[in-house]
Amino acid sequence: EAQVTQNPRYLITVTGKKLTVTCSQNMNHEYMSWYRQDPGLGLRQIYYSMNVEVTDKGDVPEGYKVSRKEKRNFPLILESPSPNQTSLYFCASSRATSYEQYFGPGTRLTVT
Amino acid sequence: GQQVMQIPQYQHVQEGEDFTTYCNSSTTLSNIQWYKQRPGGHPVFLIQLVKSGEVKKQKRLTFQFGEAKKNSSLHITATQTTDVGTYFCAGAYNQGGKLIFGQGTELSVKP
Repeated sequence: EAQVTQNPRYLITVTGKKLTVTCSQNMNHEYMSWYRQDPGLGLRQIYYSMNVEVTDKGDVPEGYKVSRKEKRNFPLILESPSPNQTSLYFCASSRATSYEQYFGPGTRLTVT
Repeated sequence: GQQVMQIPQYQHVQEGEDFTTYCNSSTTLSNIQWYKQRPGGHPVFLIQLVKSGEVKKQKRLTFQFGEAKKNSSLHITATQTTDVGTYFCAGAYNQGGKLIFGQGTELSVKP
């Protein structure tokens, strides 16, 4: 089954404790992206990757890091999480020539 | 910077009424996509519009892309309770990977 998976689905952590949210897709997609969703603000792009070893900033990259060492994986790293990073996070993927994005189920992160 | 404004933020309709949501970009788009997100779910792709003035239909849903490629609309005819959810537009500005989402329109349908 074609899908995008994210782990963990829920996470409660404390300020400053490094964490990684994993994202994996099995569709051989070149393009992958991370978004955060906050009430009233819609989806805001954090980082995206056009292919392996190619990443670029979206609209709200501050406080986040990403890497794309393999085509199928695109982890999101929060080196020192802060409460303003409490949000619902979505990973998405698509073919390079098409922007039809497939979204993962989401990760709800709470930073206290 | 590039922005996509979407209105209205909320729309409550009686089942059978029509619904329209509008997106407007500050600059010309290369394409625009529409997504639907059910409560508690993830966004699901509906359609992509690429050409100036393009109109596409999916059953009761009609999507339009403006002549100047700066605005778009989604119209649902005769809403049903299954249409409940939040509808997002997402604009792409070049052939790169940056995508700007509108704030979304939350649709509720009263039976």
